[in-house]
Amino acid sequence: GENVEQHPSTLSVQEGDSAVIKCTYSDSASNYFPWYKQELGKGPQLIIDIRSNVGEKKDQRIAVTLNKTAKHFSLHITETQPEDSAVYFCAASNENSGYSTLTFGKGTMLLVSP
Amino acid sequence: DVKVTQSSRYLVKRTGEKVFLECVQDMDHENMFWYRQDPGLGLRLIYFSYDVKMKEKGDIPEGYSVSREKKERFSLILESASTNQTSMYLCASSLKTRYEQYFGPGTRLTVT
Repeated sequence: GENVEQHPSTLSVQEGDSAVIKCTYSDSASNYFPWYKQELGKGPQLIIDIRSNVGEKKDQRIAVTLNKTAKHFSLHITETQPEDSAVYFCAASNENSGYSTLTFGKGTMLLVSP
Repeated sequence: DVKVTQSSRYLVKRTGEKVFLECVQDMDHENMFWYRQDPGLGLRLIYFSYDVKMKEKGDIPEGYSVSREKKERFSLILESASTNQTSMYLCASSLKTRYEQYFGPGTRLTVT
C-alpha cells in the first residue's frame, strides 16, 4: 500500500517568514495530493490540493508543488501569520482505485511567532 | 454549510467496557470514515463505508467494528475497550466520486 512520509514534524518561524513542509510518497499510481490544516480543538480541513497533471497550484499565500518523477510534493506558505499556527497533514490517493481513501503523513506542527 | 458531528467531545471509559462512538453528517455523502489520531502517528484509517450496510477495513481495524444502518450515521464500536485504545477519534465523510473529506471535531477517548 501507499506510504507517505512528512517532514519536518515541527516547524517554528517568525511572522512574515515563509514555511515549507515536504512529503514523499511511495506508490507511483497516486495522483491526488491534498493538504489539510488542523487547528486546535478542531478536525482537519482541506486547504489546497493538487492532481498529477499539474506541477504547481497557488491560492493566495499558499502553494503546492508536485514532482512526480521524484515522488514528492511540498506545501509553501508565504508571509506567515500567527493564525497559520496549526498542524498540517499531507495525503496521497489514487483516484482510479475505486475507493476514495487517503493515506496521511504524520503531520507537521507549525508555530508562527509574532 | 457542511457539517459532521460526533456524539461526544470527551469520553472516559473503563477497561472492558463496550464503547459506541457516533458520527452524523448532513451532506448526503456516500462515504464515511473513522480515523484515530495519535501524537507522532498522524491519522490512521480504522474503517470506512461507501454505502449503507457496507464497510471496509482500513489500516488498523483490530479491536474495532463499525455499523452503518443509515446513510447519515456511522458508528464506531469498541467491543471491549483497552487502554491502548485511548486516543482521539475522528470521523469524516465525502461524496462518492470526490476525494475531499470533511471531518468532525473529534472525540477524545480515555480508557482507564
